[in-house]
Amino acid sequence: EVQLVQSGAEVKKPGESLKISCKGSGYTFTSYWIGWVRQMPGKGLEWMGIIYPGDSDTRYSPSFQGQVTISADRSISTAFLQWSSLKASDTAIYYCARRHTGYQYFDLWGRGTLVTVSS
Amino acid sequence: DIQMTQSPSSLSASVGDRVTITCRASQGISRWLAWYQQKPEKAPESLIYAASSLQSGVPSRFSGSGSGTDFTLTISNLQPEDFATYYCQQYSNDPITFGQGTRLEIK
Repeated sequence: EVQLVQSGAEVKKPGESLKISCKGSGYTFTSYWIGWVRQMPGKGLEWMGIIYPGDSDTRYSPSFQGQVTISADRSISTAFLQWSSLKASDTAIYYCARRHTGYQYFDLWGRGTLVTVSS
Repeated sequence: DIQMTQSPSSLSASVGDRVTITCRASQGISRWLAWYQQKPEKAPESLIYAASSLQSGVPSRFSGSGSGTDFTLTISNLQPEDFATYYCQQYSNDPITFGQGTRLEIK
């Protein structure tokens, strides 16, 4: 089955670091871009950035550049999103999504990881 | 950045109705537009890509049209499972941007 499996919900304190994951299966992981999308509570979808696991080429939305780091490990077909110092405003659901090769829309989504940052 | 503006922000409709949601881009994006459906507590799912191409497995009552700056998503013969939030997305230029969403509620 073609799927993206995301890591489980996290509860963290402000200032802590965090790395969440997105594992692809059922397809050639290195041949598709993987994007990350944020959804804050009760809000819409925001594109954070995207990585091509084949060569780790990474692009960030200006809104998220310097705030997060996107990476990938081809050997385990997994993409990552990490923070070095969380803020309460990072509380959100984070989705990973696969970008279609030809048309470049997101054709496959993970179920999301809820990140709660609270003191 | 390309701004995507959806209208309306919310609408109420009944089972069997036909509804149309519009999406306007702040600059021309050719047909590089997708539509997604998101149900409560669920991840988004793709419905339409390239403005009018139906994602595999999506019912034919969903259709999309438009090019340039103006796009529409039409749902014919609304079914109970169609009540959800819908987002448009442009993928013409980075950063990819989404519309603010349209919440479709049962009347």
